[in-house]
Amino acid sequence: GDSVTQMEGPVTLSEEAFLTINCTYTATGYPSLFWYVQYPGEGLQLLLKATKADDKGSNKGFEATYRKETTSFHLEKGSVQVSDSAVYFCALRTNAGKSTFGDGTTLTVKP
Amino acid sequence: DAMVIQNPRYQVTQFGKPVTLSCSQTLNHNVMYWYQQKSSQAPKLLFHYYDKDFNNEADTPDNFQSRRPNTSFCFLDIRSPGLGDAAMYLCATSRDKGQGDQPQHFGDGTRLSIL
Repeated sequence: GDSVTQMEGPVTLSEEAFLTINCTYTATGYPSLFWYVQYPGEGLQLLLKATKADDKGSNKGFEATYRKETTSFHLEKGSVQVSDSAVYFCALRTNAGKSTFGDGTTLTVKP
Repeated sequence: DAMVIQNPRYQVTQFGKPVTLSCSQTLNHNVMYWYQQKSSQAPKLLFHYYDKDFNNEADTPDNFQSRRPNTSFCFLDIRSPGLGDAAMYLCATSRDKGQGDQPQHFGDGTRLSIL
């Protein structure tokens, strides 16, 4: 079946540091890929998405590129802020509409 | 703004006492989902409605039921909550089932505690 594997956390960074959260997937067909962010006590919010190979999703300084050859969708940000502290979920969605989520990576950014 | 609204945000119930969580959406989406999430783990899909068509996940306990009286509302009923059912319950919508390139839209969740 489909699966998503995320870099284990927690990840702790200083403000303005570079962020990478690794995500790899296994799926049949050609899924769309998503990053969601969850702030404490809230639901998941879409951060960015990519729907086909070599697409780059970007939002709020975060970026991720759909790499079919390595089945990866790593999340990056050049300079993190304290307000980026949250749990980040990588997810895939098939054309049948079924979503599979990774286990989440907790990011803490210290001033 | 169009959105997914869950009520209440926090719910406390007693062991074995039935409880209902509610979700409404103004997006006019065809699909509504209920997820269970424990301790910032991955959300676990319980079931979903595609319009009025109910789809239960194979490993969802019978203790969990759902109702969708109209497009806008969906309810999660837990008939006899146990301590293991304490969790965050997330409602989500998507425009349609076959559009894998469309994201799901999540509510802020209801955190359920069992006494």
